[in-house]
Amino acid sequence: GAVVSQHPSWVICKSGTSVKIECRSLDFQATTMFWYRQFPKQSLMLMATSNEGSKATYEQGVEKDKFLINHASLTLSTLTVTSAHPEDSSFYICSGLTGARNYGYTFGSGTRLTVV
Amino acid sequence: QQPVQSPQAVILREGEDAVINCSSSKALYSVHWYRQKHGEAPVFLMILLKGGEQKGHEKISASFNEKKQQSSLYLTASQLSYSGTYFCASVIQGAQKLVFGQGTRLTINP
Repeated sequence: GAVVSQHPSWVICKSGTSVKIECRSLDFQATTMFWYRQFPKQSLMLMATSNEGSKATYEQGVEKDKFLINHASLTLSTLTVTSAHPEDSSFYICSGLTGARNYGYTFGSGTRLTVV
Repeated sequence: QQPVQSPQAVILREGEDAVINCSSSKALYSVHWYRQKHGEAPVFLMILLKGGEQKGHEKISASFNEKKQQSSLYLTASQLSYSGTYFCASVIQGAQKLVFGQGTRLTINP
């Protein structure tokens, strides 16, 4: 089945630094990738939708200059959290749109970001 | 646009049944059900695409009432491994985005 590989699994960074999270589709072409954020004991909240070769579409309230999304190829989408602060600490998960395969959406394993 | 789930939490003894409901104020194209264990990514359970559709796998099944914009997840003879947070997610008609409900925390005690 379709697989999305997400790295790193966890990262600890200092406040003010930037962190990049990568999601690779291993056996399918993810023309569309969704990025979610999940705070403890809360639901997954959609942050943005990225399409290969075009600018990402951000959900209301998500700062596009802080959460930079790049989807330069059909198999790689990245999320960069710039100038991270403790309130950005969260669980970030990507999901590739596979269309009819594998029921449509394939999730990465998630990245636990802790900003200290 | 976020689907609404009920109840928010359920505590069961092993072997008991549970029903988790999911409703939306928007027309639904499909309903997806996921289970998430603490610290892990959500795991896909099933998808319902058509009104009136019912699906099941082992002791977990679901139904989709398209007219009422509702879906229900049924867990029968629950096992300890069923513990976790269950999410319904919907794809709004006319969009590709998968929007998650707020989740239902299920605890199974021996």
